[in-house]
Amino acid sequence: TQLLEQSPQFLSIQEGENLTVYCNSSSVFSSLQWYRQEPGEGPVLLVTVVTGGEVKKLKRLTFQFGDARKDSSLHITAAQPGDTGLYLCAGASTGGGADGLTFGKGTHLIIQP
Amino acid sequence: SAVISQKPSRDICQRGTSLTIQCQVDSQVTMMFWYRQQPGQSLTLIATANQGSEATYESGFVIDKFPISRPNLTFSTLTVSNMSPEDSSIYLCSVTDYWGDEQFFGPGTRLTVL
Repeated sequence: TQLLEQSPQFLSIQEGENLTVYCNSSSVFSSLQWYRQEPGEGPVLLVTVVTGGEVKKLKRLTFQFGDARKDSSLHITAAQPGDTGLYLCAGASTGGGADGLTFGKGTHLIIQP
Repeated sequence: SAVISQKPSRDICQRGTSLTIQCQVDSQVTMMFWYRQQPGQSLTLIATANQGSEATYESGFVIDKFPISRPNLTFSTLTVSNMSPEDSSIYLCSVTDYWGDEQFFGPGTRLTVL
């Protein structure tokens, strides 16, 4: 069974600060996806990383996939209250979408104005 | 990306009854999945809904409790049978896009069992 360890589970910081969320596993994933979920809604896909060492940027969010494709990080620069939400990492064990995703436990992020 | 809708969006049910949740996609998709998200928790995969054949269940989930149908490439149902309060969760369907690397989620069905 593949497991994804996500940390921290809870994070509350002030507006303007930077933060990093980590997602680690002992297993190799063919791809890793980051989602953001707000209360009462389904997870919304932020990014998919596929290649080891890959870095993707989405405005103030930077996503990195580890060289060995076992870990990933999400870095947010100058956090804003609108970034508040549940951030989830999820790994796919095989390509082509044949399998469901393995999810980390999630990071509850609160950005205080 | 595909547009996914679920019905009902929420329901309150009595212990021992069953509820069928529908998932409709606006385009044909190869793979459809069902997940459960217990209160304050992350998502756990229940099963893969296979078109034209029996669903593939993950460890800890069985067909008698969670029967799934997928009659075509745009629609699936999940039934939660003989419900107990422990089944109170958000149930989400998801689909993979044409290339298969990205998975998109419906808005979820919030189920409360009394």
